[in-house]
Amino acid sequence: KQEVTQIPAALSVPEGENLVLNCSFTDSAIYNLQWFRQDPGKGLTSLLLIQSSQREQTSGRLNASLDKSSGRSTLYIAASQPGDSATYLCAVGDFNKFYFGSGTKLNVKP
Amino acid sequence: EAGVAQSPRYKIIEKRQSVAFWCNPISGHATLYWYQQILGQGPKLLIQFQNNGVVDDSQLPKDRFSAERLKGVDSTLKIQPAKLEDSAVYLCASSSGLLNYEQYFGPGTRLTVT
Repeated sequence: KQEVTQIPAALSVPEGENLVLNCSFTDSAIYNLQWFRQDPGKGLTSLLLIQSSQREQTSGRLNASLDKSSGRSTLYIAASQPGDSATYLCAVGDFNKFYFGSGTKLNVKP
Repeated sequence: EAGVAQSPRYKIIEKRQSVAFWCNPISGHATLYWYQQILGQGPKLLIQFQNNGVVDDSQLPKDRFSAERLKGVDSTLKIQPAKLEDSAVYLCASSSGLLNYEQYFGPGTRLTVT
């Protein structure tokens, strides 16, 4: 069974800092990996989807990379802003199911 | 394009009562997922539909949980009878295909069982 781990569980940074969130998974036979953002009391908002054949995806200040062989993905956030404060979740997809990590709670201080 | 709709947004019930949640996916999306998210954890898949057929319900507690997706569009998830440990957010998501296309989530239903 796929196990997904996100470290750290919580992160606090000053505004403007570049930061990296980590996601690791145990089974490298994946179809894709999706990064989500979750605000308190809200559902999940999709940020980036990386197919297994891709190495990275970019959207604005966000860049996600995927290294299947090592079972790792990173989400890079450039020039962080207070509005980036949220919980970030990664989900690893196999043939027909997604497995979620527990998330990293990010706090960007003004 | 309208997103995934869920209702109610909040529900408080006593243990042993029953409750039902409703989800309407994005128009045209064939795959529908129900997840349970306990506070501080990532979502856990309860059941997955492809059109009106069940693809995976291996983690659905079938003694108390049931779900249906009649006509392959909207879906209901029911809990009967509820237990204290069922307190969680129930999330519905949809995607356009089965092979792990991008998932889109609804706002969720926060259930409190007292």
